[in-house]
Amino acid sequence: NAGVTQTPKFQVLKTGQSMTLQCAQDMNHNSMYWYRQDPGMGLRLIYYSASEGTTDKGEVPNGYNVSRLNKREFSLRLESAAPSQTSVYFCASSEGPTNTEAFFGQGTRLTVV
Amino acid sequence: GESVGLHLPTLSVQEGDNSIINCAYSNSASDYFIWYKQESGKGPQFIIDIRSNMDKRQGQRVTVLLNKTVKHLSLQIAATQPGDSAVYFCAENRGTGRRALTFGSGTRLQVQP
Repeated sequence: NAGVTQTPKFQVLKTGQSMTLQCAQDMNHNSMYWYRQDPGMGLRLIYYSASEGTTDKGEVPNGYNVSRLNKREFSLRLESAAPSQTSVYFCASSEGPTNTEAFFGQGTRLTVV
Repeated sequence: GESVGLHLPTLSVQEGDNSIINCAYSNSASDYFIWYKQESGKGPQFIIDIRSNMDKRQGQRVTVLLNKTVKHLSLQIAATQPGDSAVYFCAENRGTGRRALTFGSGTRLQVQP
């Protein structure tokens, strides 16, 4: 099993460009998450999807949109990238929305210049 | 506001010693806690979890202690090895209605040979 797979691993964008970060999991998990991690800090929740067909805002949703394409895939879109969105983005999945371990992908390092 | 935090940003220990990493939380509704290990350039990896109906849980070389009276969580690593060098995060699930983990800012563990 691959677990949680994120693409791309690295990306450089110019301010104002758009892009979509892809995430797929093969563990048949119901819940999926997008976090961002800034240098020297913990992970902050951007959006999550408790189950297929639902999405909800997390702690820092501004400037992002998400799509739960199916049970396996959960994408994060930046419509107009800003330097403040330079960060490492992690996708995660868990069996259920509460009280279960979340499994993380390897991250996407995004730089906006 | 309510948050998960850590007492020490960096902990340096000698190889073979025991390590203790601490975490404070302020939300009494939190009912599930996880410790994650993050090595450089990688996503967080699950170490151990504990539910609020427990005080202690042991894994292989790791023990998590939960003191609900003072809202304190600790991770003990026995016979610390160089491979334990990483950033350690505690995360909490804040109970009903909060459907994702909230992370603290992390503690860097440095193991000196």
